[in-house]
Amino acid sequence: GQQVMQIPQYQHVQEGEDFTTYCNSSTTLSNIQWYKQRPGGHPVFLIQLVKSGEVKKQKRLTFQFGEAKKNSSLHITATQTTDVGTYFCRYLSNDYKLSFGAGTTVTVRA
Amino acid sequence: EPEVTQTPSHQVTQMGQEVILRCVPISNHLYFYWYRQILGQKVEFLVSFYNNEISEKSEIFDDQFSVERPDGSNFTLKIRSTKLEDSAMYFCASSVSSGQSNQPQHFGDGTRLSIL
Repeated sequence: GQQVMQIPQYQHVQEGEDFTTYCNSSTTLSNIQWYKQRPGGHPVFLIQLVKSGEVKKQKRLTFQFGEAKKNSSLHITATQTTDVGTYFCRYLSNDYKLSFGAGTTVTVRA
Repeated sequence: EPEVTQTPSHQVTQMGQEVILRCVPISNHLYFYWYRQILGQKVEFLVSFYNNEISEKSEIFDDQFSVERPDGSNFTLKIRSTKLEDSAMYFCASSVSSGQSNQPQHFGDGTRLSIL
């Protein structure tokens, strides 16, 4: 069956540093979305990637969809305290089930 | 900006009791969803709803769960006989079009359900 791993589970980052979180699938994904959930908050849609090799940017956030559409990454540059939260990928599996990844929980030290 | 609203924000219920969680989706959205998130864990899909019927449900959504759109604005999740393991945050979400096309979903702030 399909396996989607989101790594790392936790990321502790020094303010100002960059970090990347990944969603890796064993099978091809039709598209992928990224959400952010602040502590105590609800998931908020960030971006959707559909095309092979697609790259989208939102200020300090860069989202990428791999050429084989099996992997996606979210890269944040110059981390700020406002980046604290859990970042989830959400994907449509090959049996058309919508699922969230396990999430990467990001903490920032000033 | 339109929002999904959920009530109550926190519900405390005795085990075995019925509970109804309420949601008002965004007005022009056609697809509605319930998710749950056990403390410290990922968001889990429960059910999707379109055109007054369930379009998809997960293994979690067993016979103790039901959903209803009783009028033109509300979307409810009922848990008939709550168990301790039902304690979680329950999120309602809505989208303009089908979840199968993976349209962005807008989430409410959630209802924290605590079963005693």
